[in-house]
Amino acid sequence: EVQLLESGGGLVQPGGSLRLSCAASGVTFSSYAMNWVRQAPGKGLEWVSSISGSGVSTDYADSVKGRFTISRDNSKNTLYLQMNSLRAEDTAIYYCGKAGGRSLSDVDYWGQGTLVTVSS
Amino acid sequence: QLVLTQSPSASASLGASVKLTCTLSSGHSNYAIAWHQQQPEKGPRYLMKLNSDGSHNKGDGIPDRFSGSSSGAERYLTISSLQFEDEADYYCQTWGTGVVFGGGTKLTVL
Repeated sequence: EVQLLESGGGLVQPGGSLRLSCAASGVTFSSYAMNWVRQAPGKGLEWVSSISGSGVSTDYADSVKGRFTISRDNSKNTLYLQMNSLRAEDTAIYYCGKAGGRSLSDVDYWGQGTLVTVSS
Repeated sequence: QLVLTQSPSASASLGASVKLTCTLSSGHSNYAIAWHQQQPEKGPRYLMKLNSDGSHNKGDGIPDRFSGSSSGAERYLTISSLQFEDEADYYCQTWGTGVVFGGGTKLTVL
């Protein structure tokens, strides 16, 4: 059974930084791309970033490009999202999602999410 | 530009069927999509991957009441024998230059 467990969320001041983690189990982690998707309060799902199975290729939404960095450690079956220069509009539940293939694809498993609140 | 369009809301009666629509933007009618369900106060759940020819592969444990179909740029999710637990937000998702989500459809079961 595939399980994804996010951690690292919390309250941070505007301009601050936070690193999210997503621990995966029940899957050959390096064989699949991974995604970060967020949901602001009362809003829909918004794609944030994706990384290929090897970690070589990454993609970002324009709203986070230059501020967020996605990475993965396949030896630890863990996905990361380094978030810098955080803004109030980054406040959201952040979900990690496993892709159905080695590159961009459907998100076929979801974590339970971790809440990030950016506020002074 | 790759865009997915969904109606904001839909409703149907308990025990009836409902068909939700996701429309791909012009020039992208051959794209596959995925359907996701998000019940109130819960995280999203993957329902299925739906190809342009209407073939689909459902996620683990998804009941037979959920099915998908396609016509041109339209992708459909049909839920039959509606239950109260089906009341949720439904999102379509595709991928190309990045990943794209539709705005979601809020389904109310009457």
